[in-house]
Amino acid sequence: KQEVTQIPAALSVPEGENLVLNCSFTDSAIYNLQWFRQDPGKGLTSLLLIQSSQREQTSGRLNASLDKSSGRSTLYIAASQPGDSATYLCAVLPSGTYKYIFGTGTRLKVLA
Amino acid sequence: EPEVTQTPSHQVTQMGQEVILRCVPISNHLYFYWYRQILGQKVEFLVSFYNNEISEKSEIFDDQFSVERPDGSNFTLKIRSTKLEDSAMYFCASSGNAFAGDYGYTFGSGTRLTVV
Repeated sequence: KQEVTQIPAALSVPEGENLVLNCSFTDSAIYNLQWFRQDPGKGLTSLLLIQSSQREQTSGRLNASLDKSSGRSTLYIAASQPGDSATYLCAVLPSGTYKYIFGTGTRLKVLA
Repeated sequence: EPEVTQTPSHQVTQMGQEVILRCVPISNHLYFYWYRQILGQKVEFLVSFYNNEISEKSEIFDDQFSVERPDGSNFTLKIRSTKLEDSAMYFCASSGNAFAGDYGYTFGSGTRLTVV
């Protein structure tokens, strides 16, 4: 059964720092992995999608990597800003299924 | 940028009442999904829907739940007789391809359901 774990659960950093959020999953048979942002009480905003054949994806200050064989993904945020404060969720789409399996998220606070 | 629209944003209902949560997926998408998030817990898959039928459902999606695409644009989730434990944020999502394709799923902003 696929399980997704995110560490740390919470992170507080001063503005301007580069930071790394981690996601691990137990079964490497996946179609893709998606990183989302969730603001308190709000919906899920897709940040990056990495297909199983890809190693990384970049969008602006965000870079996500995928090591499928070891069951790991990282989300790198460069030059963090207070507006980056949110919960970041990792989700994997196991092969042969339509259902994303989500991690519990990392709650990020960037201090001005 | 195209959006998935959900209404209402917040609904309060009495235990035992029926509720219908509404979603308008992105217009050229063919695959539709419902997820839910109980406060403080993980986002959980409920059901996927394609070609007017359920393609996959979770253990949570029991006989109390049903989905429908009544008119070619809306996608609804009905809970027949709500329980306190149905209180959660419900997210609708859609995708243009099976298994998320090149763009993943697009999620709506959610409906917060509170059962009292």
